[in-house]
Amino acid sequence: DGGITQSPKYLFRKEGQNVTLSCEQNLNHDAMYWYRQDPGQGLRLIYYSQIVNDFQKGDIAEGYSVSREKKESFPLTVTSAQKNPTAFYLCASSKGGETQYFGPGTRLLVL
Amino acid sequence: GQQLNQSPQSMFIQEGEDVSMNCTSSSIFNTWLWYKQEPGEGPVLLIALYKAGELTSNGRLTAQFGITRKDSFLNISASIPSDVGIYFCAGQILRGGGSNYKLTFGKGTLLTVNP
Repeated sequence: DGGITQSPKYLFRKEGQNVTLSCEQNLNHDAMYWYRQDPGQGLRLIYYSQIVNDFQKGDIAEGYSVSREKKESFPLTVTSAQKNPTAFYLCASSKGGETQYFGPGTRLLVL
Repeated sequence: GQQLNQSPQSMFIQEGEDVSMNCTSSSIFNTWLWYKQEPGEGPVLLIALYKAGELTSNGRLTAQFGITRKDSFLNISASIPSDVGIYFCAGQILRGGGSNYKLTFGKGTLLTVNP
């Protein structure tokens, strides 16, 4: 089946800890994205990547980092600098600038 | 950044009723998208609109791209309990450089359907 997978479904972070969220797609899409969703809010763009080995900051990149070493993978690291990391994180991909398709999400909780 | 005003914020309706929600923007968009999100899941694309004035249907769903390119609406006819979820609109501006990949999202409309 073609699609976007995110893991884990739930992730717990301790104070001062970095955590990495996985996003993989087998749709052969060039572009990948990370969004953050808070209750009652729309999706806010963290980072996006149009091609391998290149990525740009979105609207709320502070406290996050990404890499794009492979076309299929776009992991997101939530660093200790992100003071309010509790949220639902969504990964998406698209063929160029066309319609974005979303993964199932990872819920990050702080212990 | 750009803002999309989506309304209503929430709706509570009886099964069988029709539903209408809309998004407006101060900016012109080249593409309007409507997504549905169920609890704990990622948004799923319902309808994509690419041309001003375009009216597109997907089963009981109908969406239109406003003539001014600053608004869009989504209608759901004869609602059923599985229509429950959050509906998001998103707009995209197509222009050169990296910004043509970015979507602007509304804050969503929470739909509850009473059986």
